[in-house]
Amino acid sequence: GENVEQHPSTLSVQEGDSAVIKCTYSDSASNYFPWYKQELGKGPQLIIDIRSNVGEKKDQRIAVTLNKTAKHFSLHITETQPEDSAVYFCAASIRTGFQKLVFGTGTRLLVSP
Amino acid sequence: EAGVAQSPRYKIIEKRQSVAFWCNPISGHATLYWYQQILGQGPKLLIQFQNNGVVDDSQLPKDRFSAERLKGVDSTLKIQPAKLEDSAVYLCASSLGRPWDGNQPQHFGDGTRLSIL
Repeated sequence: GENVEQHPSTLSVQEGDSAVIKCTYSDSASNYFPWYKQELGKGPQLIIDIRSNVGEKKDQRIAVTLNKTAKHFSLHITETQPEDSAVYFCAASIRTGFQKLVFGTGTRLLVSP
Repeated sequence: EAGVAQSPRYKIIEKRQSVAFWCNPISGHATLYWYQQILGQGPKLLIQFQNNGVVDDSQLPKDRFSAERLKGVDSTLKIQPAKLEDSAVYLCASSLGRPWDGNQPQHFGDGTRLSIL
């Protein structure tokens, strides 16, 4: 079945630095790749997503890149702020009639003032 | 737009007892998902509904877990009897689920944190 690997498991940066989280997936038929931010005691919140017909997508300080050949995608956060501190999950969609998401293991991002 | 509503937020039970969780998806969302999130891991899909029909329950431990979405809106997930390894956060998500739209974003509730003693 589909497997999604996510690295690093923890990431500490100084406020204003950039942060990069990387994921790889195994199913070449995967065609939708969302990223979620989860704060303590809350459910995952969708922050950005990308479809397989696009190589890059940007939304203010957040960007996602996709390399279908290598089967990996990355989340880039620029000018990090303390409120960016959270656990980030990548996911890959597999189509089995209806959309099904397989999640990575998460990255705990800590932004220090 | 109101988000996905879940209740209760917390539940503590002893092993072998039963428990039920409730989910109200975003209005108009045809697809509803139940996920299990064990501490330190990503969410894992348990069951997926399209309207009131099950489209994927391949990872649902059917000997103890059951779920229903009788009128195609609200859903309940039940565990009976509970085991220690069922301690987790149970998340509900919903999406528009129109097949012709391709992949639709899933929106999550804040979950129910279940502790088994």
